[in-house]
Amino acid sequence: AQTVTQSQPEMSVQEAETVTLSCTYDTSESDYYLFWYKQPPSRQMILVIRQEAYKQQNATENRFSVNFQKAAKSFSLKISDSQLGDAAMYFCAYRRVRGNSGYALNFGKGTSLLVTP
Amino acid sequence: EAGVAQSPRYKIIEKRQSVAFWCNPISGHATLYWYQQILGQGPKLLIQFQNNGVVDDSQLPKDRFSAERLKGVDSTLKIQPAKLEDSAVYLCASSKNRDTGKNEQFFGPGTRLTVL
Repeated sequence: AQTVTQSQPEMSVQEAETVTLSCTYDTSESDYYLFWYKQPPSRQMILVIRQEAYKQQNATENRFSVNFQKAAKSFSLKISDSQLGDAAMYFCAYRRVRGNSGYALNFGKGTSLLVTP
Repeated sequence: EAGVAQSPRYKIIEKRQSVAFWCNPISGHATLYWYQQILGQGPKLLIQFQNNGVVDDSQLPKDRFSAERLKGVDSTLKIQPAKLEDSAVYLCASSKNRDTGKNEQFFGPGTRLTVL
């Protein structure tokens, strides 16, 4: 089974600064998808960014970017110009590409991000 | 486009009682997931439906949990009887289909269950 590890239970960043959230995973597959989801206190999980393992180029979405290191099985999220609205739980997730069963997300335990004015 | 709807938002019951949760996915989404999120942890899949058929229920505690998706649209998740360790947020998610891993899953607001 694939394991997703987020080693930072909590992180803090000042408004307008940059913060990086870490994620490592364990898999024997060569093709898969990785995601970062944001869960604000209202609990609605929202997709932040997605990376396809076969693509070497790191994904970016506005202020959010990833550092995908396939050999190291590392997938970190960088948030630039942090805003108060970025405060939330952030979950790293893995999803297989092919298989006989479904394609459910396999989540890490999450990192709580606090943004201070 | 309306999102994934869930009800109720909150439920408090005593152990050994029964409870049911309802989910209405985004219109046209063939795949529906139920996740359990225990406090301090990431969501864990309970069951996945493709239309009205079960794709994966390997982590569903079948002695007490059941789920159905009649007509391939709405779904209900039931717990009978509930245990203290069932206290969690139950998240429903849907996606257009399961055939490619990149299909985005859209999540509902969740139902917070407290078992006393």
